[in-house]
Amino acid sequence: DAGVTQSPTHLIKTRGQQVTLRCSPKSGHDTVSWYQQALGQGPQFIFQYYEEEERQRGNFPDRFSGHQFPNYSSELNVNALLLGDSALYLCASSLARKGGSPLHFGNGTRLTVT
Amino acid sequence: DAKTTQPNSMESNEEEPVHLPCNHSTISGTDYIHWYRQLPSQGPEYVIHGLTSNVNNRMASLAIAEDRKSSTLILHRATLRDAAVYYCILFHPYSGGGADGLTFGKGTHLIIQP
Repeated sequence: DAGVTQSPTHLIKTRGQQVTLRCSPKSGHDTVSWYQQALGQGPQFIFQYYEEEERQRGNFPDRFSGHQFPNYSSELNVNALLLGDSALYLCASSLARKGGSPLHFGNGTRLTVT
Repeated sequence: DAKTTQPNSMESNEEEPVHLPCNHSTISGTDYIHWYRQLPSQGPEYVIHGLTSNVNNRMASLAIAEDRKSSTLILHRATLRDAAVYYCILFHPYSGGGADGLTFGKGTHLIIQP
């Protein structure tokens, strides 16, 4: 049973460029959440997708956008990259239901902006 | 903003029990208490969660105070592989069937001495 997979594992971009990160959820999961984790900090919630729609959003600018596909996989797009966007980007999947379904995380994409 | 308070770090000896505390005085009646842990260079890993009653699983036990304003994660016999950052998080089930994003704090850095 494959867990959450993210690609690529590492990425180096230049300030001002755009980047797309990809996530495949755990088999059977239908909800995908994205997080940004700076060095030494806890993960910060970016947004969550369910039924191909953004359901919740954290305190991130519109430069951060996403998409969920019919097969539940998801993409995170970041436009006009800033040096401060350098971080580990984590994808987590879960099963949408009442009752606090646990999140399953991938190992993340390490983005470096130079 | 994180709604939980945890010690920055704790130290324990191998093969001894570990009690990791978490305060969540503003918890609401529908909030679940989730615990995750993160090893270096990996995404967070689900450990355990509960609502009102104490919970046990193969990884750990969760003791929830009667007023639900605090909880304790118990590792019954710590090993070197348990050295990680442990996050205590309040999880808000989304009435629409999805799930609210988890808000992570900085967590507790658990150090295990051999």
